[in-house]
Amino acid sequence: QKEVEQNSGPLSVPEGAIASLNCTYSDRGSQSFFWYRQYSGKSPELIMFIYSNGDKEDGRFTAQLNKASQYVSLLIRDSQPSDSATYLCAVNPLTMRFGAGTRLTVKP
Amino acid sequence: SQTIHQWPATLVQPVGSPLSLECTVEGTSNPNLYWYRQAAGRGLQLLFYSVGIGQISSEVPQNLSASRPQDRQFILSSKKLLLSDSGFYLCAWSVPGRNTGELFFGEGSRLTVL
Repeated sequence: QKEVEQNSGPLSVPEGAIASLNCTYSDRGSQSFFWYRQYSGKSPELIMFIYSNGDKEDGRFTAQLNKASQYVSLLIRDSQPSDSATYLCAVNPLTMRFGAGTRLTVKP
Repeated sequence: SQTIHQWPATLVQPVGSPLSLECTVEGTSNPNLYWYRQAAGRGLQLLFYSVGIGQISSEVPQNLSASRPQDRQFILSSKKLLLSDSGFYLCAWSVPGRNTGELFFGEGSRLTVL
C-alpha cells in the first residue's frame, strides 16, 4: 500500500465550479497534512496545511481532514483557469511523503 | 526572508557520467534539508534528508549520494549516471526542530540522461 494515495485524474471542471480533490494516507501517526500546487515544469508551492480534524478555509480553498478515516481533501470553489495544475497531497509523519498528484483542468 | 537556490536548472548528461547538483539556503540557520526526485508524471520521491552538517539519511538505495559540507549547503552527487536517474530534482528546506512543518522548494533541476 502506498503511503499517500490520490486519484491521478485528470479532473476537469468548468470555470466557476467546485473542484474536489481527495487523498488517503496509511500512517496513522501522521500529524500534519499539506496541499501543494505544481504548475507544469515548476516546483511545488504550498497552498494549505491542516493539523486538526475538520475544515480549514483560506479564500477559495478549503482543506478537510478526517484522521479516523485517514482522509484529506481539498475543495476549490469558483474554480479559475489559473487553477489548472497538478495538486499534490503530502503527509508528514516524520519526513514529508507525497502522493502522485491529481491533474486538474479548469475549462473556460 | 529565507530563500533557496539550486543549480544547474537544466542539464543533459550521458550515461556513466558524474553528477553534481547544488542547493543553498539563505536567511535561516541549521535548516532541515531535503532532496526529492520527480520522474515524469509521477509524485515526489524522497531521496535524502539532513538535520545538520554531515548528517545524511538515505531513503532509497541507489547510485546517488548526498553531502552537507556547510550548514546551508546540500549537494546531490553521482559517480556514474543511469538512464533511470532522469527526472526533476528538487531541493527543499524546513524549519529546524519542526518535523511537522511545511517544505519550501527550490526551483528544481531537470536532468536528462541519454
